Order: sequence, then C-alpha cells, then structure tokens
Amino acid sequence: KAGVTQTPRYLIKTRGQQVTLSCSPISGHRSVSWYQQTPGQGLQFLFEYFSETQRNKGNFPGRFSGRQFSNSRSEMNVSTLELGDSALYLCASSLMGLEETQYFGPGTRLLVL
Amino acid sequence: GESVGLHLPTLSVQEGDNSIINCAYSNSASDYFIWYKQESGKGPQFIIDIRSNMDKRQGQRVTVLLNKTVKHLSLQIAATQPGDSAVYFCAETYNAGNMLTFGGGTRLMVKP
Repeated sequence: KAGVTQTPRYLIKTRGQQVTLSCSPISGHRSVSWYQQTPGQGLQFLFEYFSETQRNKGNFPGRFSGRQFSNSRSEMNVSTLELGDSALYLCASSLMGLEETQYFGPGTRLLVL
Repeated sequence: GESVGLHLPTLSVQEGDNSIINCAYSNSASDYFIWYKQESGKGPQFIIDIRSNMDKRQGQRVTVLLNKTVKHLSLQIAATQPGDSAVYFCAETYNAGNMLTFGGGTRLMVKP
C-alpha cells in the first residue's frame, strides 16, 4: 500500500497570505489528523477529521482550519500567515481513529517570510 | 510528555550496545502509548505501541516498558545500529481518542 502523501513538500509564503496543504491518507484509512512541528513547541495536534467531520481540535487559533472530502483526502488552510506559522505540517492517517496506530506522511515544510 | 524545546536531550551509544530512551508522560488518564522514530527530513515512523493494561511489549529488537505508577515509558533498542540514529518521540492518548500528545523527543546518536 502507498503511504500517506502530502503536497506540496515545501512552500514559501509571506506574512498575511493564506496557504492550503493537502494530505492523501493510506487507502482505506478514514481518520486524518494534522500536527504542527516546530523546534520551539515540538509536535502539536491541530485537528482530526473522520467521515468529513472534524472530531477533535487542538489549541490553535481559528486561522487554522481544515476539511475532509468523501474520499478521506484532507486539506488544511492557514489564513493571514504569521512568521510563527513557519513549521513542518504533518498529516497522519489511521483506520478509524480510535486509539490505533497513526501513520505519518513526510510533511509540508512551510516558511513564512 | 514535556517539551524540552530546542535543546533535545541526546543519547550517544556505541554500535552494538543496547539503548534505553526514557519518557515521562503527563496525563494519568492516558491509556495508549506509541513510540515514533523521526529521521531528518522525514515524518515520524511508528516503532511500537502499548496499552495501559500491559507493562511490557516486545517487537523486533525493541521493547517498550510502561510504569503507570510513576507515569514513565521507556524504549529499549537491542544491538543498536547506525540506522537507528534519529530523534525518538513518545506519544500518548486517552479515552479512545486519536489526539496524540508528544514528548519533546530524544536524539539517539550511534557511533560506529
């Protein structure tokens, strides 16, 4: 099976812009979670989607949003980018999202200038 | 787990030796724990997991130990190899959820 794929792999944006990142889960996986990884804060949970519904949300401002499509693919959007949004954004998928192994993609590295 | 920010603790071991990486987790209600390995430029890779009704689980060359009394998790790697060099994260979750809370990570360096 193909693993979790994320596009794009690298992105450079300027403050105030918005960005959309995409994630394709492992075939058959219905739960998709997003995490932000920075040197200062480590790995932090953003949100989880299951059956096109946001099921859990981490402690991030409303500028961070996401959605899931009927084929389980997911996108996350960050509006009004700030310098502090520079990070590696990781997507993880699992079968049903019930305390089971989550498999991570390679991430999208976002640099905000 | 507790974040240690920019300065990851580092464990340096000789090739062939056993490695032990420790993690203090934060939530006494956590009931599912996972160890991940992250190599430079890659996403975290699943190594092994354990549920709170167990105190030990073994995989291929890896063993995870769970001590719920002191909220401590450890990962033991037998016969450490250069390919084991990476950053290792413990993660926890609870209540049948999928929201992982990660520890700050430990960098493992294997000397040939």
